[in-house]
Amino acid sequence: EVQLVESGGGLVQPGGSLRLSCAASGFTFSSYWMHWVRQAPGKGLVWVSRINSDGSSTSYADSVKGRFTISRDNAKNTLYLQMNSLRAEDTAVYYCAKERTYYDILTGYYSWFDPWGQGTLVTVSS
Amino acid sequence: DIQMTQSPSSLSASVGDRVTITCRASQSISSYLNWYQQKPGKAPKLLIYAASSLQSGVPSRFSGSGSGTDFTLTISSLQPEDFATYYCQQSYSTPPTFGQGTRLEIK
Repeated sequence: EVQLVESGGGLVQPGGSLRLSCAASGFTFSSYWMHWVRQAPGKGLVWVSRINSDGSSTSYADSVKGRFTISRDNAKNTLYLQMNSLRAEDTAVYYCAKERTYYDILTGYYSWFDPWGQGTLVTVSS
Repeated sequence: DIQMTQSPSSLSASVGDRVTITCRASQSISSYLNWYQQKPGKAPKLLIYAASSLQSGVPSRFSGSGSGTDFTLTISSLQPEDFATYYCQQSYSTPPTFGQGTRLEIK
């Protein structure tokens, strides 16, 4: 069974740092792109970051660029999100998600998030 | 960034009803559109990918259609376990973006 388990969330003061982890099992972790998506309390889903399968390419939402760093350890089957200079607006449940793709010879690559981890809550407050 | 707009934002319906949720993209995204279901306190769950492909294990009462800028998610006969929030998401370009969600409530 494919499983993603996040950890590392908690309460942190504005300006502080936190590192989230996402432990993967049940699939060949090193073959898949991975993502972080967050959800502020009572709000919708917002994509945060993604990393390719070998960790050589990353992408970030403008709101976290320069403050967050995504990384992975394929030997440990673990995805990370290092969050620095945290702000109140970063308060959210953070989900890791596996990217799945399908290639259609006529229309190209389709991708989607499946599955998602259970999420870890990050609260930024003094 | 591509903006995704869902309508309605909330919807009340009864068990057995046929329900349609609409998602509109701010530019053409071909069929690069996915649908997720989220229940309170739980992670999102994939329902539909590539606009109309049903994820394995998802009941056949769920269906998706559309291409370009306009898409729909249809539940043919609502079941009690379907009351949840539904999100569309485009995978046409980075950053991937989600609609604001449609909350489906029991009437």
